[in-house]
Amino acid sequence: KAGVTQTPRYLIKTRGQQVTLSCSPISGHRSVSWYQQTPGQGLQFLFEYFSETQRNKGNFPGRFSGRQFSNSRSEMNVSTLELGDSALYLCASSPLGSLNTGELFFGEGSRLTVL
Amino acid sequence: DAKTTQPPSMDCAEGRAANLPCNHSTISGNEYVYWYRQIHSQGPQYIIHGLKNNETNEMASLIITEDRKSSTLILPHATLRDTAVYYCIVRVYGQNFVFGPGTRLSVLP
Repeated sequence: KAGVTQTPRYLIKTRGQQVTLSCSPISGHRSVSWYQQTPGQGLQFLFEYFSETQRNKGNFPGRFSGRQFSNSRSEMNVSTLELGDSALYLCASSPLGSLNTGELFFGEGSRLTVL
Repeated sequence: DAKTTQPPSMDCAEGRAANLPCNHSTISGNEYVYWYRQIHSQGPQYIIHGLKNNETNEMASLIITEDRKSSTLILPHATLRDTAVYYCIVRVYGQNFVFGPGTRLSVLP
């Protein structure tokens, strides 16, 4: 079974630009969660989508948004990029997400550098 | 905020058991204990989870104290590939996972 796939793996943007990251969950998984990882703040929860609906949201500004498609693939978008948005963005999938006690399966992440 | 306390770093000799402690003194009755690890520059990897009974799988064992205020992750025969940051998380149904700083385990040859 293929794992969680994130694209692109690496990207460089400049301040003020916007970026879209993509996540394909494990086949059959309906929940996708996004996390931001930085050296200073560690792993922080961004949001969770389940069946195309945002179910949980972390404490991030409105510049961070996401969506999920009917095939469970998800995208997250960051607008008006700031230097502090440089991070590893991780996507995780699970069959039911926060609605069960099971585990998350993480992708390898998309490393964003903002110059 | 993370509800767990872990030592920032630990060393373990290759081939020996690695015992990683986690304190979760404010855990509630319906919160599970999860362990993940993250090898450098990769996504976190699920290891094991439990509610109150000890659990074992092909990767590790999870020992939860009777009062559930602490737990220990045991890697029975640590290898160099087990060098990673290990995260202990407590979580209840309906909540997202909250990762703390974890324990950086270094397995030494």
